[in-house]
Amino acid sequence: KAGVTQTPRYLIKTRGQQVTLSCSPISGHRSVSWYQQTPGQGLQFLFEYFSETQRNKGNFPGRFSGRQFSNSRSEMNVSTLELGDSALYLCASSLDLAGYEQYFGPGTRLTVT
Amino acid sequence: SQKIEQNSEALNIQEGKTATLTCNYTNYSPAYLQWYRQDPGRGPVFLLLIRENEKEKRKERLKVTFDTTLKQSLFHITASQPADSATYLCAPSGTYKYIFGTGTRLKVLA
Repeated sequence: KAGVTQTPRYLIKTRGQQVTLSCSPISGHRSVSWYQQTPGQGLQFLFEYFSETQRNKGNFPGRFSGRQFSNSRSEMNVSTLELGDSALYLCASSLDLAGYEQYFGPGTRLTVT
Repeated sequence: SQKIEQNSEALNIQEGKTATLTCNYTNYSPAYLQWYRQDPGRGPVFLLLIRENEKEKRKERLKVTFDTTLKQSLFHITASQPADSATYLCAPSGTYKYIFGTGTRLKVLA
């Protein structure tokens, strides 16, 4: 069974631009979560989607948004990029909303200059 | 607010010894707890999940305990190998399945 895939793997953007990251979950997994990881803050939860609906949201500004499609694939968007948005963005899929382990993708390394 | 504490300092042990990592949590009661391994520049990899009604769980050289009274989980790697060197994250989960500890970096010395 194929694992979680994320595209692109690396991205360099300048301040003020916007970016869209993509995630394809494991086949059959209905929940997709997004995390931001930085050396100082560790893994920080952004949001979770299930059946095309955002079910939970972390403590991030509205510049961070996402969506999920009917095939469970998900995208996240960051608008008006700031230097502090430089991070590893990880997507994780799981079978259901709770009680199941998460399977992470390799991440997208975003650098904002 | 929910808080998770893992040893922030790196743990160095000799090959063949048992590594023991600690995860303490406060201000919530997770229904289950997960452990993940993360290598530099990669996404975390799921290792074990233990539920609140289970005291101990094993998988090959790995063992996890879950003490809901102490609000603590211990993660053991027996007969450790240099390939076990990585950062290990705990995630006490339930309603809030999205909270991860900052991890403990383990280095197994040959």
